[in-house]
Amino acid sequence: QKEVEQNSGPLSVPEGAIASLNCTYSDRGSQSFFWYRQYSGKSPELIMFIYSNGDKEDGRFTAQLNKASQYVSLLIRDSQPSDSATYLCAVQGAGGTSYGKLTFGQGTILTVHP
Amino acid sequence: DAGVTQSPTHLIKTRGQHVTLRCSPISGHKSVSWYQQVLGQGPQFIFQYYEKEERGRGNFPDRFSARQFPNYSSELNVNALLLGDSALYLCASSSYRGRYTEAFFGQGTRLTVV
Repeated sequence: QKEVEQNSGPLSVPEGAIASLNCTYSDRGSQSFFWYRQYSGKSPELIMFIYSNGDKEDGRFTAQLNKASQYVSLLIRDSQPSDSATYLCAVQGAGGTSYGKLTFGQGTILTVHP
Repeated sequence: DAGVTQSPTHLIKTRGQHVTLRCSPISGHKSVSWYQQVLGQGPQFIFQYYEKEERGRGNFPDRFSARQFPNYSSELNVNALLLGDSALYLCASSSYRGRYTEAFFGQGTRLTVV
Protein backbone atom coordinates (compact mmCIF):
# COMPACT_ATOMS: atom_id res chain seq x y z
CA GLN A 1 0.00 0.00 0.00
CA LYS A 2 1.34 3.40 -0.96
CA GLU A 3 1.75 5.88 1.87
CA VAL A 4 -0.27 8.58 0.10
CA GLU A 5 -2.70 7.78 -2.68
CA GLN A 6 -4.65 10.15 -4.85
CA ASN A 7 -7.63 9.45 -7.04
CA SER A 8 -6.40 8.40 -10.42
CA GLY A 9 -6.84 10.94 -13.14
CA PRO A 10 -6.95 12.63 -15.31
CA LEU A 11 -9.99 14.54 -14.11
CA SER A 12 -11.86 16.67 -16.61
CA VAL A 13 -14.55 19.17 -15.58
CA PRO A 14 -16.36 21.95 -17.45
CA GLU A 15 -15.68 25.57 -16.61
CA GLY A 16 -17.74 26.70 -13.64
CA ALA A 17 -18.14 23.20 -12.19
CA ILE A 18 -16.81 21.85 -8.89
CA ALA A 19 -13.65 19.77 -9.11
CA SER A 20 -13.16 17.21 -6.36
CA LEU A 21 -9.72 15.80 -5.63
CA ASN A 22 -9.23 13.03 -3.09
CA CYS A 23 -6.32 11.64 -1.11
CA THR A 24 -5.89 8.85 1.43
CA TYR A 25 -2.89 8.24 3.67
CA SER A 26 -1.65 5.24 5.61
CA ASP A 27 0.19 6.74 8.60
CA ARG A 28 -2.30 7.46 11.40
CA GLY A 29 0.29 9.63 13.12
CA SER A 30 0.26 12.16 10.27
CA GLN A 31 -0.57 15.61 11.52
CA SER A 32 -0.54 18.12 8.68
CA PHE A 33 -1.85 17.91 5.16
CA PHE A 34 -1.11 20.04 2.16
CA TRP A 35 -2.33 20.59 -1.37
CA TYR A 36 0.10 21.79 -3.97
CA ARG A 37 -0.66 22.85 -7.53
CA GLN A 38 1.94 22.16 -10.19
CA TYR A 39 1.73 23.56 -13.68
CA SER A 40 3.50 21.66 -16.41
CA GLY A 41 7.25 22.27 -16.25
CA LYS A 42 6.99 24.29 -13.05
CA SER A 43 7.59 23.58 -9.37
CA PRO A 44 4.81 22.81 -6.86
CA GLU A 45 2.98 25.81 -5.38
CA LEU A 46 1.33 25.56 -1.95
CA ILE A 47 -2.38 26.38 -2.19
CA MET A 48 -3.94 24.92 0.98
CA PHE A 49 -3.01 23.26 4.24
CA ILE A 50 -5.14 21.73 6.97
CA TYR A 51 -4.40 20.04 10.29
CA SER A 52 -7.74 19.90 12.09
CA ASN A 53 -10.68 17.67 11.25
CA GLY A 54 -13.36 19.41 9.22
CA ASP A 55 -13.37 21.96 6.45
CA LYS A 56 -11.11 24.88 5.70
CA GLU A 57 -12.08 27.38 3.05
CA ASP A 58 -9.91 29.85 1.17
CA GLY A 59 -11.57 31.59 -1.73
CA ARG A 60 -12.68 29.00 -4.27
CA PHE A 61 -10.76 26.25 -2.50
CA THR A 62 -12.00 24.07 0.35
CA ALA A 63 -9.85 21.44 2.04
CA GLN A 64 -11.57 18.70 4.02
CA LEU A 65 -9.87 16.42 6.54
CA ASN A 66 -11.19 13.27 8.20
CA LYS A 67 -8.44 11.76 10.34
CA ALA A 68 -10.59 8.79 11.41
CA SER A 69 -10.96 7.78 7.76
CA GLN A 70 -7.42 8.94 6.90
CA TYR A 71 -8.87 10.98 4.10
CA VAL A 72 -8.24 14.50 2.83
CA SER A 73 -9.85 16.22 -0.12
CA LEU A 74 -9.73 19.45 -2.07
CA LEU A 75 -12.76 21.04 -3.67
CA ILE A 76 -12.35 23.73 -6.28
CA ARG A 77 -15.54 25.71 -6.88
CA ASP A 78 -16.28 27.64 -10.06
CA SER A 79 -13.39 25.89 -11.81
CA GLN A 80 -11.51 27.98 -14.35
CA PRO A 81 -9.28 26.90 -17.26
CA SER A 82 -6.37 28.42 -15.31
CA ASP A 83 -6.97 25.74 -12.63
CA SER A 84 -5.81 23.10 -15.13
CA ALA A 85 -2.72 21.59 -13.50
CA THR A 86 -1.50 18.61 -11.52
CA TYR A 87 -2.66 18.65 -7.90
CA LEU A 88 -0.37 17.02 -5.35
CA CYS A 89 -1.50 15.86 -1.93
CA ALA A 90 1.28 15.92 0.68
CA VAL A 91 1.32 14.57 4.22
CA GLN A 92 3.58 15.58 7.08
CA GLY A 93 4.42 13.36 10.00
CA ALA A 94 4.21 13.95 13.71
CA GLY A 95 7.47 15.78 14.19
CA GLY A 96 10.79 14.47 15.42
CA THR A 97 12.46 12.81 12.49
CA SER A 98 9.38 13.60 10.38
CA TYR A 99 9.88 17.34 10.86
CA GLY A 100 9.92 19.01 7.48
CA LYS A 101 9.48 15.78 5.54
CA LEU A 102 6.56 15.69 3.14
CA THR A 103 5.27 12.49 1.62
CA PHE A 104 3.52 13.12 -1.68
CA GLY A 105 0.91 11.29 -3.64
CA GLN A 106 1.40 10.68 -7.33
CA GLY A 107 -0.71 13.68 -8.29
CA THR A 108 -4.01 14.11 -10.10
CA ILE A 109 -4.11 15.90 -13.43
CA LEU A 110 -7.06 18.29 -13.62
CA THR A 111 -8.28 19.74 -16.90
CA VAL A 112 -10.96 22.44 -16.92
CA HIS A 113 -12.44 22.82 -20.37
CA PRO A 114 -14.31 25.93 -21.53
CA ASP B 1 11.17 39.09 -0.14
CA ALA B 2 13.06 36.67 -2.35
CA GLY B 3 11.65 33.19 -2.60
CA VAL B 4 13.59 29.96 -2.74
CA THR B 5 16.29 30.15 -5.39
CA GLN B 6 17.94 27.17 -7.02
CA SER B 7 20.82 26.94 -9.44
CA PRO B 8 21.34 25.93 -12.12
CA THR B 9 17.88 25.69 -13.67
CA HIS B 10 18.91 23.12 -16.26
CA LEU B 11 21.85 20.78 -16.44
CA ILE B 12 22.98 18.03 -18.80
CA LYS B 13 25.53 15.52 -17.50
CA THR B 14 27.05 12.27 -18.73
CA ARG B 15 26.70 8.96 -16.93
CA GLY B 16 29.35 8.55 -14.26
CA GLN B 17 29.85 12.28 -13.71
CA HIS B 18 29.24 14.21 -10.53
CA VAL B 19 26.76 17.07 -10.07
CA THR B 20 26.23 19.76 -7.44
CA LEU B 21 22.92 21.54 -7.09
CA ARG B 22 22.47 24.66 -4.98
CA CYS B 23 19.62 26.18 -3.02
CA SER B 24 19.11 29.39 -1.08
CA PRO B 25 16.11 29.34 1.28
CA ILE B 26 13.66 32.10 2.06
CA SER B 27 15.18 34.65 4.42
CA GLY B 28 14.54 33.54 8.00
CA HIS B 29 13.94 29.89 7.13
CA LYS B 30 16.41 27.55 8.76
CA SER B 31 15.29 24.29 7.21
CA VAL B 32 15.98 23.05 3.71
CA SER B 33 14.74 19.82 2.16
CA TRP B 34 15.55 18.19 -1.16
CA TYR B 35 13.16 16.23 -3.33
CA GLN B 36 13.47 14.32 -6.58
CA GLN B 37 10.55 14.38 -8.99
CA VAL B 38 10.55 11.95 -11.88
CA LEU B 39 8.16 12.73 -14.72
CA GLY B 40 4.62 11.68 -13.93
CA GLN B 41 5.22 11.11 -10.22
CA GLY B 42 5.04 13.12 -7.03
CA PRO B 43 8.23 14.46 -5.43
CA GLN B 44 10.26 11.96 -3.39
CA PHE B 45 12.00 13.09 -0.21
CA ILE B 46 15.81 12.90 -0.33
CA PHE B 47 17.17 14.93 2.61
CA GLN B 48 16.18 17.48 5.21
CA TYR B 49 18.58 19.82 7.00
CA TYR B 50 17.86 22.08 9.94
CA GLU B 51 20.46 24.34 11.51
CA LYS B 52 23.18 22.62 9.46
CA GLU B 53 22.28 19.17 10.80
CA GLU B 54 20.74 16.33 8.82
CA ARG B 55 17.28 15.67 10.22
CA GLY B 56 15.98 13.18 7.72
CA ARG B 57 17.07 11.00 4.85
CA GLY B 58 14.89 9.29 2.29
CA ASN B 59 15.44 5.98 0.56
CA PHE B 60 18.22 7.08 -1.78
CA PRO B 61 21.66 5.49 -2.33
CA ASP B 62 24.84 6.84 -0.77
CA ARG B 63 25.70 8.48 -4.08
CA PHE B 64 23.40 11.24 -2.87
CA SER B 65 24.73 13.60 -0.22
CA ALA B 66 23.94 17.08 0.97
CA ARG B 67 25.04 19.75 3.37
CA GLN B 68 23.80 23.04 4.77
CA PHE B 69 25.97 26.08 5.28
CA PRO B 70 25.98 28.67 8.12
CA ASN B 71 23.85 31.01 5.98
CA TYR B 72 21.30 28.14 5.65
CA SER B 73 21.91 27.65 1.93
CA SER B 74 22.35 24.05 0.86
CA GLU B 75 24.01 21.83 -1.71
CA LEU B 76 22.88 18.48 -3.05
CA ASN B 77 25.63 16.31 -4.51
CA VAL B 78 25.13 13.27 -6.66
CA ASN B 79 28.08 11.06 -7.61
CA ALA B 80 28.41 8.47 -10.36
CA LEU B 81 25.33 9.66 -12.19
CA LEU B 82 22.98 7.10 -13.70
CA LEU B 83 20.41 7.60 -16.43
CA GLY B 84 17.74 7.07 -13.80
CA ASP B 85 18.90 10.17 -11.92
CA SER B 86 17.35 12.30 -14.65
CA ALA B 87 14.64 14.26 -12.88
CA LEU B 88 13.51 17.60 -11.53
CA TYR B 89 15.33 18.29 -8.26
CA LEU B 90 13.38 20.49 -5.92
CA CYS B 91 14.56 22.38 -2.89
CA ALA B 92 12.00 23.29 -0.22
CA SER B 93 12.47 26.00 2.38
CA SER B 94 10.50 25.43 5.57
CA SER B 95 9.22 27.44 8.48
CA TYR B 96 7.84 25.73 11.58
CA ARG B 97 4.46 27.16 12.62
CA GLY B 98 3.84 25.19 15.81
CA ARG B 99 1.28 22.71 14.52
CA TYR B 100 2.56 22.41 11.00
CA THR B 101 5.53 23.25 8.82
CA GLU B 102 4.99 25.31 5.70
CA ALA B 103 7.25 24.29 2.83
CA PHE B 104 7.82 26.42 -0.23
CA PHE B 105 9.59 25.13 -3.31
CA GLY B 106 12.16 26.70 -5.55
CA GLN B 107 11.81 26.55 -9.32
CA GLY B 108 13.83 23.34 -9.44
CA THR B 109 16.84 22.08 -11.33
CA ARG B 110 16.09 19.93 -14.35
CA LEU B 111 18.88 17.34 -14.54
CA THR B 112 19.29 15.26 -17.67
CA VAL B 113 21.80 12.41 -17.62
CA VAL B 114 22.85 11.12 -21.03
